Amino acid sequence: GENVEQHPSTLSVQEGDSAVIKCTYSDSASNYFPWYKQELGKGPQLIIDIRSNVGEKKDQRIAVTLNKTAKHFSLHITETQPEDSAVYFCAAGAGYSTLTFGKGTMLLVSP
Amino acid sequence: DADVTQTPRNRITKTGKRIMLECSQTKGHDRMYWYRQDPGLGLRLIYYSFDVKDINKGEISDGYSVSRQAQAKFSLSLESAIPNQTALYFCATSDFSKGTQYFGPGTRLLVL
Repeated sequence: GENVEQHPSTLSVQEGDSAVIKCTYSDSASNYFPWYKQELGKGPQLIIDIRSNVGEKKDQRIAVTLNKTAKHFSLHITETQPEDSAVYFCAAGAGYSTLTFGKGTMLLVSP
Repeated sequence: DADVTQTPRNRITKTGKRIMLECSQTKGHDRMYWYRQDPGLGLRLIYYSFDVKDINKGEISDGYSVSRQAQAKFSLSLESAIPNQTALYFCATSDFSKGTQYFGPGTRLLVL
């Protein structure tokens, strides 16, 4: 089955800096890669996703890049703000089936 | 109102007790999932259902069972709870034509 590895497990940045979280996957059949943000006491919420027919996708301060050859994808957050502090999960899936999640990255943005 | 609801939100039970966690959705999605979250282990899939008559085991189904009572309802049961089932449980839904999953607020379960 699919295996998703996520790094780093914790990330501390100063407000205004950029943050990068990286994931690798093992199954070459995977073609859907969502990123979720989980705030304390809440369920994960989708923040951005990418499908394998594109290499990069942006949404304001958030971007995701995908390298299918190397089987890795990354989340980039620019101009970080304290409200970006949360746990972030990457995931990978094939078609519209199940998702396999990484173990999460706790991002702390200090003012 | 929330699209995906879970009841109860918090539950304390004792070893050996049977417990049921419930999930309801108003998104009209056909697919529903149960996950378990433990610190440092991420989200692990317990069971999933692609329609009312379809039930599939996930990565960690031992000790759990599920019932899909209707398109909008999917319940998770622990027949005889044990302490290592203490965790945060999430229900999620998705549409058959898209991979995006939408999560409920979670149920925090403590087994003493």
